[in-house]
Amino acid sequence: LAKTTQPISMDSYEGQEVNITCSHNNIATNDYITWYQQFPSQGPRFIIQGYKTKVTNEVASLFIPADRKSSTLSLPRVSLSDTAVYYCLVGGRGSARQLTFGSGTQLTVLP
Amino acid sequence: DSGVTQTPKHLITATGQRVTLRCSPRSGDLSVYWYQQSLDQGLQFLIQYYNGEERAKGNILERFSAQQFPDLHSELNLSSLELGDSALYFCASSVGLLEGVRETQYFGPGTRLLVL
Repeated sequence: LAKTTQPISMDSYEGQEVNITCSHNNIATNDYITWYQQFPSQGPRFIIQGYKTKVTNEVASLFIPADRKSSTLSLPRVSLSDTAVYYCLVGGRGSARQLTFGSGTQLTVLP
Repeated sequence: DSGVTQTPKHLITATGQRVTLRCSPRSGDLSVYWYQQSLDQGLQFLIQYYNGEERAKGNILERFSAQQFPDLHSELNLSSLELGDSALYFCASSVGLLEGVRETQYFGPGTRLLVL
């Protein structure tokens, strides 16, 4: 199974760009990479999903190198409201591994 | 608002009791997922139903059971409750089996269970 490794915590300041990297050395050919955001006492919320290269949406970018053994979630110009836990999930479409949330990264944005 | 509703919001009960948590998926979603989130174990997948049938099982205890009804709402039954069952229980739903492009889970607000 593709196990993911993320930093436990990160601090940043308002207005900065934040990059959170996830390692997934055993990623399989048909696995996708999905990131969720979770605020305290709320359910996780989908942020972005990708397979290779770069994906961008209105809230974040996801960078995936050619070997796909890692991925980086990039949050541009963070604000205090971006303080949350960020989870990286790896799994093929329809795979139960898409349901495996690791410990996540606690991002704290400071004023 | 994700469109997934869960009731009750909070539940306080005693050890040995049984409780039922309810989840209504987003309109049109056929899959329902249950998760448990406790402080020491993070977010744990329990079980998935798709159109009334059990589809995937995670770390669900034998004391716990779930079902999905014809109207697609789901219930999670927790019995012989122990102190360690105190946690946030989330329900999520998706259109199908997470096989489509950009298909993802939408999580409800959760039910906070406290076992005393």
